[in-house]
Amino acid sequence: QVQLKESGPGLVQPSETLSLTCTVSGFSLTSYGVNWVRQPPGKGLEWMGTIWNDGSTDYNSALKSRLSISRDTSKSQVFLKMNSLQTEDTAIYLCARLYYDGTYYYWYFDFWGPGTMVTVSS
Amino acid sequence: DIQMTQTPSSMPASLGERVTISCRASQGISNYLNWYQQKPDGTIKPLIYYTSNLQSGVPSRFSGSGSGTDYSLTISSLEPEDFAMYYCQQYDSSPPTFGGGTKLELK
Repeated sequence: QVQLKESGPGLVQPSETLSLTCTVSGFSLTSYGVNWVRQPPGKGLEWMGTIWNDGSTDYNSALKSRLSISRDTSKSQVFLKMNSLQTEDTAIYLCARLYYDGTYYYWYFDFWGPGTMVTVSS
Repeated sequence: DIQMTQTPSSMPASLGERVTISCRASQGISNYLNWYQQKPDGTIKPLIYYTSNLQSGVPSRFSGSGSGTDYSLTISSLEPEDFAMYYCQQYDSSPPTFGGGTKLELK
């Protein structure tokens, strides 16, 4: 069955770089896109970016200068790197699969990981 | 970016009650509107895509409707497992954006 699971450090120092991994199973990264979404404590959801099935990427313009999404298809892993972290980047970080109806991809997230909490603090 | 406004932000309701959550976009989004449920443990479950299409496995008591800038999610008869947060999300244009959420609480 389709599964996604995020992993990474729970604590990051201000100004440092966050590195997260989303490990997927039950589908191929060459057939489906994967997204990163974050949720600050007690707040709503923010789309961060997408890595499409062909490896191309789209980023939220608010984060684009700090964010990079990549993948290793052989390991079924998607990576997030974001630099210059500040306290306002404290959030649960989630990866989610992009829906594909066999013809088109839609920004509808049909499977989600459980999320990983990242705290930015010294 | 398209702003999504959900109302109400919280809603006390009773078991068996019919409830409707509203979502308004800052501009027309051509029915490109999805709904998600987030449980207290943080688990996010997709419910409805393209305004009114039910995700496989989602109970038929959930339904979605709307057009233009105004959309809604209706639960016809609340079950205990329905008390959760609900988010709408538009995908008419990039970036995809979410509403602020509606917390459905037991009255």
